[in-house]
Amino acid sequence: AQKITQTQPGMFVQEKEAVTLDCTYDTSDPSYGLFWYKQPSSGEMIFLIYQGSYDQQNATEGRYSLNFQKARKSANLVISASQLGDSAMYFCAMREEGGATNKLIFGTGTLLAVQP
Amino acid sequence: DTEVTQTPKHLVMGMTNKKSLKCEQHMGHRAMYWYKQKAKKPPELMFVYSYEKLSINESVPSRFSPECPNSSLLNLHLHALQPEDSALYLCASSRQLAGGSYEQYFGPGTRLTVT
Repeated sequence: AQKITQTQPGMFVQEKEAVTLDCTYDTSDPSYGLFWYKQPSSGEMIFLIYQGSYDQQNATEGRYSLNFQKARKSANLVISASQLGDSAMYFCAMREEGGATNKLIFGTGTLLAVQP
Repeated sequence: DTEVTQTPKHLVMGMTNKKSLKCEQHMGHRAMYWYKQKAKKPPELMFVYSYEKLSINESVPSRFSPECPNSSLLNLHLHALQPEDSALYLCASSRQLAGGSYEQYFGPGTRLTVT
């Protein structure tokens, strides 16, 4: 069965430093998509970045990059030059196998605190 | 513009009340979703609409009744809720369901408290 694992319940990082949030996944489907979402304390889930299983290059969006290691089944989120506004819960998610429903399987999340 | 709006922001209701949550998007998306999220947990999918038709019901109790009046609007009608239904209710939309990697865009949510 598909599974997403985020092993870091909480992380601290100093402002302006880079931080890596871990995500590993398990699926038997050769075609899959991986997503990262940010959820501030206000509640809104903000889409950050997407990586497809057949994408040759790691996805990047501004200060966010996805370190995709297919053989290790990991899709870690790297945030460069952390800002105070990056303090939030971060969820890794995978689209359900088959892709017909666009249903997302979420990890348990990592709570990131950026310290000044 | 990747905006999904939800009203109300907060809702307190008694167990005998009937209320509705509203969600709206104007991105031309044809798939819309309702999620329930308890504190410190990931969102749980409740319903999915595709082209205004109910596509997925994740065995949600009948006291939750979704409605999709048109391609931009999604409602969630609430009746005879229980205190354990108190949660953040998130709406999301995506271009379609299948055929691509369609990221979902979420609204700000409605914080529901059932007393």
